[in-house]
Amino acid sequence: AQSVTQPDIHITVSEGASLELRCNYSYGATPYLFWYVQSPGQGLQLLLKYFSGDTLVQGIKGFEAEFKRSQSSFNLRKPSVHWSDAAEYFCAVGTYNQGGKLIFGQGTELSVKP
Amino acid sequence: DAGVIQSPRHEVTEMGQEVTLRCKPISGHDYLFWYRQTMMRGLELLIYFNNNVPIDDSGMPEDRFSAKMPNASFSTLKIQPSEPRDSAVYFCASSQRGASYNEQFFGPGTRLTVL
Repeated sequence: AQSVTQPDIHITVSEGASLELRCNYSYGATPYLFWYVQSPGQGLQLLLKYFSGDTLVQGIKGFEAEFKRSQSSFNLRKPSVHWSDAAEYFCAVGTYNQGGKLIFGQGTELSVKP
Repeated sequence: DAGVIQSPRHEVTEMGQEVTLRCKPISGHDYLFWYRQTMMRGLELLIYFNNNVPIDDSGMPEDRFSAKMPNASFSTLKIQPSEPRDSAVYFCASSQRGASYNEQFFGPGTRLTVL
């Protein structure tokens, strides 16, 4: 069955520290991969996406993610976290055959310490 | 473009009442999705439409829930009768096949409280 796993439910980092949020997927076909961010009381906003080509993709707000096919992973990174990055982050995966449907992970809540 | 529009933003109702949530997708998008988000269950896909036709409603919890898409610019999610366990944030999202490969654009959500 298709699935997306975000192993970390909650992560706390200090402001200015680096960040890595993990995402692993299980999918038979070539996946399309996404990271979304949800600030409190808001809808989900797209951070970045991967379809093909360069496996390191850049997104908004200084985020990047790397697709590693051998590890079925698409981890999100940021070199220096800002207090405003505190939010919930969702990894999602889809394929051409899914007709628009995305499978979302359970989310990782990020807290930022001053 | 105004993005995905949802109304109302907040809804408080009493158990047993009918609730109707509304969504206007982004113009030109041919997919529309309804999600429910709770602390316990996270983000759940309830139903999605392609070209106004329901494709997969396997996530709809029970017969009390129904969704319609009478035209390309409007969809409703109805709960009748509502129960306290339906309290959640309901999101609508839309996407366009062939453009950005399934990227979904989310509305701001409707926070539903059933007393």
